[in-house]
Amino acid sequence: NAGVTQTPKFQVLKTGQSMTLQCAQDMNHNSMYWYRQDPGMGLRLIYYSASEGTTDKGEVPNGYNVSRLNKREFSLRLESAAPSQTSVYFCASSVRDRGEDTQYFGPGTRLTVL
Amino acid sequence: GNSVTQMEGPVTLSEEAFLTINCTYTATGYPSLFWYVQYPGEGLQLLLKATKADDKGSNKGFEATYRKETTSFHLEKGSVQVSDSAVYFCALSVRGGGNKLTFGTGTQLKVEL
Repeated sequence: NAGVTQTPKFQVLKTGQSMTLQCAQDMNHNSMYWYRQDPGMGLRLIYYSASEGTTDKGEVPNGYNVSRLNKREFSLRLESAAPSQTSVYFCASSVRDRGEDTQYFGPGTRLTVL
Repeated sequence: GNSVTQMEGPVTLSEEAFLTINCTYTATGYPSLFWYVQYPGEGLQLLLKATKADDKGSNKGFEATYRKETTSFHLEKGSVQVSDSAVYFCALSVRGGGNKLTFGTGTQLKVEL
């Protein structure tokens, strides 16, 4: 049981390049999330998917797109990377248990945009 | 809207000292409260949680009590260890809010021998 896995761990892009961050979970969780973590700002929600086939915008969705490929996988795409997207990106998943949700996080992807 | 305010760090303590990290919140609904811990180079791990007023969450010697009257969820530990050095995040989620977490900015804890 690997939990939540993310690839790649590190990535350097040039401005304007595109890339996809991959996330997978093996806990059979319904909901998945993408966050970015910036110094002094905590984690901010980019997009989330409450269930397979649905996605919704979070607090900071501009410049990103997501795909909930199946129940296990939730990818984040940067179509045209900008230096402002330099950040650490975390994927998370959650399941409702007795009315309560707990989110479990992946190890993160550190992205630098030059 | 929802927000979480944490004390700024870094907090530097000697081993075996008492730890308090303050957390207060505002929420439009009735929140569940969480503490997450992030060790260097790793993702966030759930440390403890509380889902209703006066609940006490506890784990690994850490405790936090959900205080509705003061809208607070302060993290405490009686005797810290060097291995507790990490960044601690307070967070909340509101039922009916899509289970989205609202995080504080994090408090870095450094424990020295």
